[in-house]
Amino acid sequence: EVQLVESGGGLVQPGGSLRLSCAASGFTFSYYLMTWVRQAPGKGLEWVATIKQDGSAKYYVDSVRGRFTISRDNAKNSLYLQMNSLRAEDTAVYYCVTYSTSSRSFDYWGQGTLVTVSS
Amino acid sequence: DIQMTQSPSSVSASVGDRVTITCRASQGFSKWLAWYQQKPGKAPKLLIYAASSLQSGVPSRFSGSGSGTDFTLTISSLQPEDFATYYCQQANSFPLAFGGGTKVEIK
Repeated sequence: EVQLVESGGGLVQPGGSLRLSCAASGFTFSYYLMTWVRQAPGKGLEWVATIKQDGSAKYYVDSVRGRFTISRDNAKNSLYLQMNSLRAEDTAVYYCVTYSTSSRSFDYWGQGTLVTVSS
Repeated sequence: DIQMTQSPSSVSASVGDRVTITCRASQGFSKWLAWYQQKPGKAPKLLIYAASSLQSGVPSRFSGSGSGTDFTLTISSLQPEDFATYYCQQANSFPLAFGGGTKVEIK
C-alpha cells in the first residue's frame, strides 16, 4: 500500500523558516517525480514544486521561487521542502504527492501538513 | 504559462442528475489534462488523466473529454457520494496549474 506521510508543519512567524518532510513507502520512490501541492484555508489547490527522480531538475511556481527549495533523498525514501522568508500567504495545508510520468497526473497524495504563518 | 479556468464555480444538483464541468486553458494542448475530486478535510483523489482515461477503481459514471483549450468532466448520474469539489489540472508543461474548482452541492 502506498503511503505518504508529511511532517514538519506548524506555526511560524513571518520571515521565518520551516522544513517539511515526507516519508514514502509502498512503492519504488526513486522511480517517481515528486511534488508539493498546497491549499490555503477554504481555497483551491496550488501546485508548488516538482523534483525529478534523480533530483537533476526542479520546478517551482513563481510565488515561491527563490524562497522554497525542494529536495529528496532516495536512500531514505524521503521528500523535503525547505521554506524560507515565509509570508502570511504561504499559510496552507501542504500535500506530498507522486507525479506519474506515464499518466502525467498526481496519483497518490499524503494527508497533508498545516503550515500557519502568523505573528 | 498555461492558466486554467473552471466553470461553473458551483452547481446545485440532485441525485440522478447529469452534471458537466468545464475547464478552459489559456493555451491549447493535446490531452494532458487531469481531473480530481476532493471531499472536505480529505486529500484530492485522481479521477481522470490524459483528458479521458479513467483512473483504476473510479466508477464509470465519471467521464472526461476534450482537447485544445476546452475540456469537460461529466458525471452521468450523480450519486450521494459524488457531492464534492472537482478540480482540473493541466500537465502539458511546467509550471503545472489547477483550475479554481467546482463545488457540486445538493439541490
